[in-house]
Amino acid sequence: DSGVTQTPKHLITATGQRVTLRCSPRSGDLSVYWYQQSLDQGLQFLIQYYNGEERAKGNILERFSAQQFPDLHSELNLSSLELGDSALYFCASSPHIGGYEQYFGPGTRLTVT
Amino acid sequence: AQSVSQHNHHVILSEAASLELGCNYSYGGTVNLFWYVQYPGQHLQLLLKYFSGDPLVKGIKGFEAEFIKSKFSFNLRKPSVQWSDTAEYFCAVMFGNEKLTFGTGTRLTIIP
Repeated sequence: DSGVTQTPKHLITATGQRVTLRCSPRSGDLSVYWYQQSLDQGLQFLIQYYNGEERAKGNILERFSAQQFPDLHSELNLSSLELGDSALYFCASSPHIGGYEQYFGPGTRLTVT
Repeated sequence: AQSVSQHNHHVILSEAASLELGCNYSYGGTVNLFWYVQYPGQHLQLLLKYFSGDPLVKGIKGFEAEFIKSKFSFNLRKPSVQWSDTAEYFCAVMFGNEKLTFGTGTRLTIIP
């Protein structure tokens, strides 16, 4: 158990819908990272937050957004969902701003039908 | 462009065989290197990491990796694998102070 929690574990929704994935980092970790893992794209970095501020952006679509709240939990919002958004979404947390040590959560499996 | 390559997509070994998984990256500057493991149905776990110093790094569960700067490689090794090592293994590189870039992963299947 890494200490990072993610909810829900599984999510099934229809195309065009909007969902919110939630991540609680390890106690004391200020950095939160979001990744998407799909069969064709592998593990892709989406976005990083550090202490409430957006720190780095990766291959995140405009339909996706994220935020980190004062209690340091983070939410990833996915809207106008498409079939291709079906994937495992991982959150990771780190005590460092540079992400040298990332602890991954169990992931949320999103299925878009 | 900075990239991470794992050329072995699927490796099948018998128990007690020796393991070497390749990882290469393209970047001439400072790198921090990682190997993560993802057991079936589980989250990614850090196996080992290299920041600086001794290029031979020892990790958990008997794994080790060697950083060879001249070859831009960070291969993962284990002298004798067990059935419980069946998992997907990801090499990851932090280029400079940038985000972590993952390789496409190598699926390892150990036959009892």
